Amino acid sequence: KQEVTQIPAALSVPEGENLVLNCSFTDSAIYNLQWFRQDPGKGLTSLLLIQSSQREQTSGRLNASLDKSSGRSTLYIAASQPGDSATYLCAVSHRSNDYKLSFGAGTTVTVRA
Amino acid sequence: GAVVSQHPSRVICKSGTSVKIECRSLDFQATTMFWYRQFPKQSLMLMATSNEGSKATYEQGVEKDKFLINHASLTLSTLTVTSAHPEDSSFYICSASRREQPQHFGDGTRLSIL
Repeated sequence: KQEVTQIPAALSVPEGENLVLNCSFTDSAIYNLQWFRQDPGKGLTSLLLIQSSQREQTSGRLNASLDKSSGRSTLYIAASQPGDSATYLCAVSHRSNDYKLSFGAGTTVTVRA
Repeated sequence: GAVVSQHPSRVICKSGTSVKIECRSLDFQATTMFWYRQFPKQSLMLMATSNEGSKATYEQGVEKDKFLINHASLTLSTLTVTSAHPEDSSFYICSASRREQPQHFGDGTRLSIL
């Protein structure tokens, strides 16, 4: 069974600092990996999706890397802003599991003004 | 991007009541819809997968008679929590996808059973 771990569970940084969020998974035979943002009491917003054949994806200040062989992904957020405060979740899917998503517990980020 | 609407956003009701939550894909036909449950500060746990026109597939440990799922059309799935009790209080989130495409998530429903 796939297990997804996110470290750290919580992170507090001053505005302007770069954020580094880590995600690890036990079964490396993934189909893709996604990073989501979740605001309190809300659903999920997809940030980046990396296919298993890709090494990284970028969108604005966000960059996600994928090292499938070691079962790791890192989400980088450059020049953090208070509006980046949220919980960030990573999730992986497998073709063998009908593409169902397995989620980590998330990293809760607070960016202090 | 694809839009998934979930309704209601919040429900507070008495123990023993049955509660229905709707999940609609507004601008695409969803062949598959997923229902998740999320406890505070925990991950999303998949409850069941529903394909249009067929019975839902429930994950291990999820009571199918407790959580009734209907996916009658390509744009609507419903989750009914039958005879809800305080331990059913949680945040329920649906998602919709088309074949192997990424899932698009609703805004979730906060269910509180008194």
